[in-house]
Amino acid sequence: DAGVTQSPTHLIKTRGQHVTLRCSPISGHKSVSWYQQVLGQGPQFIFQYYEKEERGRGNFPDRFSARQFPNYSSELNVNALLLGDSALYLCASSSETWSGNTIYFGEGSWLTVV
Amino acid sequence: ILNVEQSPQSLHVQEGDSTNFTCSFPSSNFYALHWYRWETAKSPEALFVMTLNGDEKKKGRISATLNTKEGYSYLYIKGSQPEDSATYLCAPENPDSSYKLIFGSGTRLLVRP
Repeated sequence: DAGVTQSPTHLIKTRGQHVTLRCSPISGHKSVSWYQQVLGQGPQFIFQYYEKEERGRGNFPDRFSARQFPNYSSELNVNALLLGDSALYLCASSSETWSGNTIYFGEGSWLTVV
Repeated sequence: ILNVEQSPQSLHVQEGDSTNFTCSFPSSNFYALHWYRWETAKSPEALFVMTLNGDEKKKGRISATLNTKEGYSYLYIKGSQPEDSATYLCAPENPDSSYKLIFGSGTRLLVRP
């Protein structure tokens, strides 16, 4: 079975541009979360979606938005890119949202903002 | 806001050595703790999800214990192998509606042949 898949794997954008990152969860998983990881730190929570509804949002500016589609895939959008948005963006999926459920991660999308 | 600390930050051991790392987190309002192994250029691999005080879990040569009353978890690797080289992350769940993970900065393990 395919794991969590993300695209693109690497991309370079210019300050002020917009970026869309995509994620396909494990088949049958209804919950998708997004995390940002910068060097030297652990991943930071951005969003969680479950059954197409936003369930949680981390401490990120409104330039960050996301959505989940009927097939449970998800997009993370970042507007007006800043140099500080350069990071690895991880998508994670789980079958449900209750505590103690295993959460599976993709390999991430490396974003470089120049 | 949960404050998660992992120690040591990095660890170099010889093949065959056994090693352990610590994850510390606030003991109040505990829900669950996740351990991940993250190798370079790969996705974080789920090792354990621990929920009960006193939990002990094992996967091959790796095991973990949980103490929710004092707010710590230990990860043990017995007889380290070069393929165990990775960053090990712990993440308690933030007990709000989204069950988000709050990650520590990780312990970077390098096992020398």
